[in-house]
Amino acid sequence: ETGVTQTPRHLVMGMTNKKSLKCEQHLGHNAMYWYKQSAKKPLELMFVYSLEERVENNSVPSRFSPECPNSSHLFLHLHTLQPEDSALYLCASSQEDTTYEQYFGPGTRLTVT
Amino acid sequence: AQSVTQLGSHVSVSEGALVLLRCNYSSSVPPYLFWYVQYPNQGLQLLLKYTSAATLVKGINGFEAEFKKSETSFHLTKPSAHMSDAAEYFCAVRRGYQKVTFGTGTKLQVIP
Repeated sequence: ETGVTQTPRHLVMGMTNKKSLKCEQHLGHNAMYWYKQSAKKPLELMFVYSLEERVENNSVPSRFSPECPNSSHLFLHLHTLQPEDSALYLCASSQEDTTYEQYFGPGTRLTVT
Repeated sequence: AQSVTQLGSHVSVSEGALVLLRCNYSSSVPPYLFWYVQYPNQGLQLLLKYTSAATLVKGINGFEAEFKKSETSFHLTKPSAHMSDAAEYFCAVRRGYQKVTFGTGTKLQVIP
């Protein structure tokens, strides 16, 4: 595997379900990010992890819970979601002391029914 | 605060015509600026970046962008559009350590 991978690519879940999104970066980067992309809205930064420590949480509802067990893996745990949480969830990584640009995974298309 | 404005949510060009996608930024410090492209059902891919070196930046797929401080602009151009260029394009500005603000995106349609 190369770059940033995300699983699953598509997820349909009910409002009472619990699921997790997984992201893995194979680039040796030191920072990882979760973004939410909804139709007709700007890309929303949700969480930032630097060296496995959460450094930013942009007022995201507690039904979204991130986890970064090591510098290569990032999870987004989901529970009791709302229909308005349906979106494309993108993971990204970057090397913040040298190149700065973010590399994105293909995203998970989440539908909450 | 640093932000970006992309003028035009949809742009249509004929195949072979010039592509011009506009981006204006506001920044209190010399910015790092990026252009990303997103194809359907995919993540964002970096096209090019400006990091205070040359003002004319060349990227992948024949795209380039020019940083103009006086106009606070970083417009994306390509001399000749291909059908494969149809996608959504995002301008972004780095606003500090690990923080990037993205524009709202411009969807490019290429007409055969």
